[in-house]
Amino acid sequence: KQEVTQIPAALSVPEGENLVLNCSFTDSAIYNLQWFRQDPGKGLTSLLLIQSSQREQTSGRLNASLDKSSGRSTLYIAASQPGDSATYLCAVNSISSGSARQLTFGSGTQLTVLP
Amino acid sequence: DADVTQTPRNRITKTGKRIMLECSQTKGHDRMYWYRQDPGLGLRLIYYSFDVKDINKGEISDGYSVSRQAQAKFSLSLESAIPNQTALYFCATSDERTGMRSEQYFGPGTRLTVT
Repeated sequence: KQEVTQIPAALSVPEGENLVLNCSFTDSAIYNLQWFRQDPGKGLTSLLLIQSSQREQTSGRLNASLDKSSGRSTLYIAASQPGDSATYLCAVNSISSGSARQLTFGSGTQLTVLP
Repeated sequence: DADVTQTPRNRITKTGKRIMLECSQTKGHDRMYWYRQDPGLGLRLIYYSFDVKDINKGEISDGYSVSRQAQAKFSLSLESAIPNQTALYFCATSDERTGMRSEQYFGPGTRLTVT
């Protein structure tokens, strides 16, 4: 059974810092990995989707990498801003889920960027 | 307008009551999902539907039922609510035409409290 772990559970940084969020998964047989942002009362927003054949994806100040063989992904946020404060979730679409395309989620990293 | 909408956004109900949560999407996607999120945990899959005639149980389907009234509508019912069903519920959609590359899109969530 796929298990997804995110460390740390919470992170507080001063504005302007570059930071890295970590995600690890136990079964490397995946279709893709998705990073989400969760804001209170606003649901989940998809940030980046990395296919199993890709090594990284970039969107603005965000860069996500994938090392499938080691079961790890990182989300890099450059020049952090207070508006980046949210919970960041990593989710894996495993081949073992078959046609269900079921996502297995980590429990998230709660990020606070201090002005 | 949001692509995936959920109603109600918040609901408080009593133990033993029947309750229905509704989800609608305008993305034209064929697949729809219901997840629940508990504090400190990732999202877990309750049910998913490939199309109107195809409903499947997810990881935690006990105590829940679903109905796919149309391609755009997927409702989740709690036949007799109990306090441990207090959680944040999310609906999601994906487009199977993109196959294993499919990205899931989430609604804003319904916060359900069972007293």
